[in-house]
Amino acid sequence: AQSVTQLDSQVPVFEEAPVELRCNYSSSVSVYLFWYVQYPNQGLQLLLKYLSGSTLVESINGFEAEFNKSQTSFHLRKPSVHISDTAEYFCAVSGGNKLVFGAGTILRVKS
Amino acid sequence: DTGVSQDPRHKITKRGQNVTFRCDPISEHNRLYWYRQTLGQGPEFLTYFQNEAQLEKSRLLSDRFSAERPKGSFSTLEIQRTEQGDSAMYLCASSPPLLGGDGYTFGSGTRLTVV
Repeated sequence: AQSVTQLDSQVPVFEEAPVELRCNYSSSVSVYLFWYVQYPNQGLQLLLKYLSGSTLVESINGFEAEFNKSQTSFHLRKPSVHISDTAEYFCAVSGGNKLVFGAGTILRVKS
Repeated sequence: DTGVSQDPRHKITKRGQNVTFRCDPISEHNRLYWYRQTLGQGPEFLTYFQNEAQLEKSRLLSDRFSAERPKGSFSTLEIQRTEQGDSAMYLCASSPPLLGGDGYTFGSGTRLTVV
């Protein structure tokens, strides 16, 4: 069975500052890892994913995450956030059949 | 293809009534999933189908919940005798046979309010 722990429930940060949203997972099998973003009253949008290959993955809007197998982590980072990045972010793990989500981290970007 | 569609977007029902939600997945995706999300929580897995076969059900899925995917295309999730605790966002997702591309694609969800 897989599980995901998102270590921060809320992260407040000023605009143009860097941010890291932390995610740790546990699994007895090889996994795929995902970050999803959810804006108020909307569904989940895929932000980025690790399936195989390079352990550093990037999104089109400047986020990146690094798969660290030894630390069982998949932290999400952005060097400079914008107001529009305010949303809830979910880390998820899949052993191939279904996604298991963390509880989410609300990113609040302040001007 | 316009992605995963869910209908209705919102549903308000009285306690004890039955409700049914529909999900239309991406046409070439043979796997379909239902999740439930309550306020302040991540989505929780309910059940999944591969084609028309329901392969896994969570213990969260009580006897009052039933899901079908009769022809391996759209799916329905029915809740009988709704309770206030059923109030949540119900999310549907689909994925292709081999987990490549974008993997799992989610619909916008159906928000259920039981009064």
